Amino acid sequence: EDQVTQSPEALRLQEGESSSLNCSYTVSGLRGLFWYRQDPGKGPEFLFTLYSAGEEKEKERLKATLTKKESFLHITAPKPEDSATYLCAVQADGRRMDSSYKLIFGSGTRLLVRP
Amino acid sequence: NAGVMQNPRHLVRRRGQEARLRCSPMKGHSHVYWYRQLPEEGLKFMVYLQKENIIDESGMPKERFSAEFPKEGPSILRIQQVVRGDSAAYFCASSPLLAGFLAKNIQYFGAGTRLSVL
Repeated sequence: EDQVTQSPEALRLQEGESSSLNCSYTVSGLRGLFWYRQDPGKGPEFLFTLYSAGEEKEKERLKATLTKKESFLHITAPKPEDSATYLCAVQADGRRMDSSYKLIFGSGTRLLVRP
Repeated sequence: NAGVMQNPRHLVRRRGQEARLRCSPMKGHSHVYWYRQLPEEGLKFMVYLQKENIIDESGMPKERFSAEFPKEGPSILRIQQVVRGDSAAYFCASSPLLAGFLAKNIQYFGAGTRLSVL
């Protein structure tokens, strides 16, 4: 069964204290791995998509990396406005008979950055 | 506003009533997905539609739930005879027309409809 596990569930950082969020996944064929940010009361906001092991993407203080079993979201020198829930999702390979474009989400990591 | 539009943002229904949730995809997008987020839980896939076609409804409860995406107008998620357990945030996402089984797919989400069943 396709599965996504995110850790930690919650993370508190001081402003400027860098850290990483983990996303472990089990899927028989990976089409893509996605990172989203979700603020309270809002919909997920797309951040990155990664397609193959070794790939990296960067955006401001965020950097996403991908291996064959997991992805990391590195946050460098975070600011209070980076506080949000970060969601990881996978999409199965389209060559599978049971695949569609549906996303399988983890439960998220709630990040709080204190000033 | 070129984003995914969902309405209403908040919907209150009494047990046994019907709930209709609407989603207008981003301009140029022809694929729509519905997800449900129960309190303190992650997003769960419900259904994937293209214009006039349901492609994957593997995440839809077998009874009381239905979805459509007509040729004209928004996609509709319909919940009949709502129960308290239906209280959740319902999110719609859209993506552009794709080609090939390895086509890259990015889904953009709306702000959601928060359904409360009294």
